[in-house]
Parts: sequence; C-alpha cells; structure tokens
Amino acid sequence: GIQVEQSPPDLILQEGANSTLRCNFSDSVNNLQWFHQNPWGQLINLFYIPSGTKQNGRLSATTVATERYSLLYISSSQTTDSGVYFCAVASGTYKYIFGTGTRLKVLA
Amino acid sequence: DTGVSQNPRHKITKRGQNVTFRCDPISEHNRLYWYRQTLGQGPEFLTYFQNEAQLEKSRLLSDRFSAERPKGSFSTLEIQRTEQGDSAMYLCASSLEGGAQGTGSGNTIYFGEGSWLTVV
Repeated sequence: GIQVEQSPPDLILQEGANSTLRCNFSDSVNNLQWFHQNPWGQLINLFYIPSGTKQNGRLSATTVATERYSLLYISSSQTTDSGVYFCAVASGTYKYIFGTGTRLKVLA
Repeated sequence: DTGVSQNPRHKITKRGQNVTFRCDPISEHNRLYWYRQTLGQGPEFLTYFQNEAQLEKSRLLSDRFSAERPKGSFSTLEIQRTEQGDSAMYLCASSLEGGAQGTGSGNTIYFGEGSWLTVV
C-alpha cells in the first residue's frame, strides 16, 4: 500500500515565525487532504489539495503530484496553531492513508 | 449542517465487556468511514460504507469488531469482549461521493470529534 511520510516529526516555533511541513507519498494519488488535530483530538480540515496551490489566510498548501509531495506553509504562527498536522492521501476514491504527523508547538 | 456527531465521547469499560459507538454523518453524505487512532500515531482505516453497504474492512478489524449502517444513515461500531489493546480513539468520518457540486472539493472527508475508549 501507499506509504506516507511527514517531516519534520516535531517542530517548536516562536510566535510569529513561519514554517513548512512536508508530506511525501510513495505512489500516485488522486485525493490529498491536510488536517490539524487540536489538543482535544478533533481533526480539522485545512485543505483538500490533490494538486496545485491553495491559500486560506495564514495557511497555504502546494501539491506536486508528479513528484509525489505536498507542502503546508504556516506564516506568522500563533499559539493556537499548536497541535498535530496530518497529511492523508488516497489513490482510489475513498480509503485515506495517514502519515504519522508533525507535532507543532508554538511558544508565546 | 451540524457536522459529524459521535457518541459517547468517552467510555471506560472493563476488559471483557462489550461497547458500542454511534456515528451520525453529515446529512447528505453517502460515504461513512471508521478509523482508529492510538497515542502518537495517525488514524488507521478500519472500514468503509457506501450508503448501507460495507465495502471494505481492514485486517485491523478482528472478529470482535462489527460495524453496521442500517438504512444508510447513522452507523454503529461494536466491540465485543474488549481487550486492553482496544484502548484508542475511534473516529468516524463522512463524505459525499464526487464532492459538493461545483466546489472542486473531490472526496473531502469530514471527521467527528471521536470516541475515546479506555479498557481497564
């Protein structure tokens, strides 16, 4: 099956800093989502982005499907950005496979 | 649209007891998924329904686990004879086949808040 690797595994930032999170996947996919899991466990949708670039406020994401990676950019980080960021991919129409996540802590 | 709803949110049970979790998907969504997440790991796929049909079950889903989705609406996940290794968060998600029309959202899946199970 598809392997999903995320880097870095852990990241500590000062408030206001920028960061880039990476997701590599081992096979072609036609669905890709980024999620933020908050400290209460809720998985919050950030982007549905099987290809191309999207932006939503301080967050943006780029997927280069032909090279099998996706990037999540966080600018001007805030303490509320803390949590775990997951990339999930699906090569078929429904079965998403998750990476192990990037644990982000933003310090005030 | 109230989102995906799961209950109970927390369950503590003794080893050997049966537990059941319920998931109410987003109302128009025809696809429903169950995932399991343990501490420090990403969610792992358990099973998938399209309408009322269970189309895939992971090898993680032993014979003690059963999931149903009668009438293609809510779903239940039952764990019989619980073991300590079953302790995890059980996540339900739903999606609309093809995505919301005109949004380019594809098969975006939406998760509920999860049901935490602790087996003592």
